[in-house]
Amino acid sequence: QSALTQPPSASGSPGQSVTISCTGTSSDVGGYNYVSWYQQHPGKAPKLIIYEVSERPSGVPDRFSGSKSGNTASLTVSGLQAEDEADYYCSSYAGSNTFYVFGTGTKVTVL
Amino acid sequence: EVQLLESGGGLVQPGGSLRLSCAASGFTFSSYAMSWVRQAPGKGLEWVSAISGSGDTIYYADSVKGRFTISRDNSKNTLYVQMNSLRSEDTAIYHCAKDKNSGSSDAAFDIWGQGTMVTVSS
Repeated sequence: QSALTQPPSASGSPGQSVTISCTGTSSDVGGYNYVSWYQQHPGKAPKLIIYEVSERPSGVPDRFSGSKSGNTASLTVSGLQAEDEADYYCSSYAGSNTFYVFGTGTKVTVL
Repeated sequence: EVQLLESGGGLVQPGGSLRLSCAASGFTFSSYAMSWVRQAPGKGLEWVSAISGSGDTIYYADSVKGRFTISRDNSKNTLYVQMNSLRSEDTAIYHCAKDKNSGSSDAAFDIWGQGTMVTVSS
């Protein structure tokens, strides 16, 4: 059960965009359209911001968008704001043996 | 208000046991699968275990299989995890999390508890 691979860090200036990748295999990310993304501020519980690759829960700004190509999913945060500075994690359904797997996490810094 | 509240964490010696609880409110508990997700200090998220709404389907991560047992009491709106043979690497904040959609396993957890800290140390 290997974790999905994310870059350790990403950064951008306010108003810019940042894209985070999440690389898995055909047994998880590539095999199902069940990729989610979570935002976690220090000392807080994770918050769901994207599910089923590109769907946004109600209340999540449309600055957050998700996509997938092959075994790699991506989260794009457009129009970066100071409050977007947080850790971001992807997750994927991985079949009935492994079930769920999270990514290694990416720390986003707003410069 | 939809809410999850964990309890039961604490300090335990290696090889010891602990039972965590997660009290749910504000939604029809029995309709949703639930998971435990942990986060070691300064580390990333790790999915631990999941249980279906009825309790008849259960999954575990390899790292806890054979040592942890997940269960639920739908009459009490409460999720549990019994943790035995604890190791130092089990030290983490343990969150319970609710599936966003009833009836599907889509790795989308829309409600999280704040977590309870488990420390395994002599």
